[in-house]
Amino acid sequence: EIVLTQSPGTLSLSPGESATLSCRASQYGDKKYLAWYQQKPGQAPRLLIYGASNRAAGIPDRFSGSGSGTDFTLTISGLEPEDFAVYYCHLSTDYPTWTFGQGTKVEMK
Amino acid sequence: QVQLQESGPRLVKPSQTLSLTCTVSGGSITTAGSYWTWFRQSPEKGLEWIGYSHYTGRAFYNAALRSRAAISVDTSYNQFSLELTSVTAADTAVYYCAKYIEGLGWFDPWGQGTLVTVSS
Repeated sequence: EIVLTQSPGTLSLSPGESATLSCRASQYGDKKYLAWYQQKPGQAPRLLIYGASNRAAGIPDRFSGSGSGTDFTLTISGLEPEDFAVYYCHLSTDYPTWTFGQGTKVEMK
Repeated sequence: QVQLQESGPRLVKPSQTLSLTCTVSGGSITTAGSYWTWFRQSPEKGLEWIGYSHYTGRAFYNAALRSRAAISVDTSYNQFSLELTSVTAADTAVYYCAKYIEGLGWFDPWGQGTLVTVSS
């Protein structure tokens, strides 16, 4: 069974700083099935990045994704106040079943 | 654009069946390649994919829940449903519905979610 490990668990940053979030899989996954979501309290996850590096519609270009194989990264270049949230990755290595990481919380310092 | 809305009882007794419905608006539930999905989220287990179903009945489930979960699609009402049998306190979670397109790698959009508590 695949395990997705997101790190760090919490990132304490100030507005304007950049955030680098990691999603590491315990086995190889096709990057086609790697996506990132943002979740704010009381809200559903919101799609940010799909196919590891493609921004979803309406997502600002300060959000970028990269990676392949077992290591994937979400970068937020210049945090805005609305970016403080929890971020999740998901991957399918035994399609069509899906696994999520445990999340990285980006909090305001 | 497609929007999803969950509905159903917020409180279920242990050993009973949890039943939720997701109403799809702004698009047809029979749209080609669409799979209608249920997730849940709890502090203990995080975000968990429960499974999804095509309107034809072709469905896939999380192995851990396969014996208790069933997803069905009602094309007459443009809705799909989740039934989870023999619930325990561990099934207490926020349940979300979402749309998936076969062969793609993401879920979008999502419903707002509904908290279901399992308690006597």
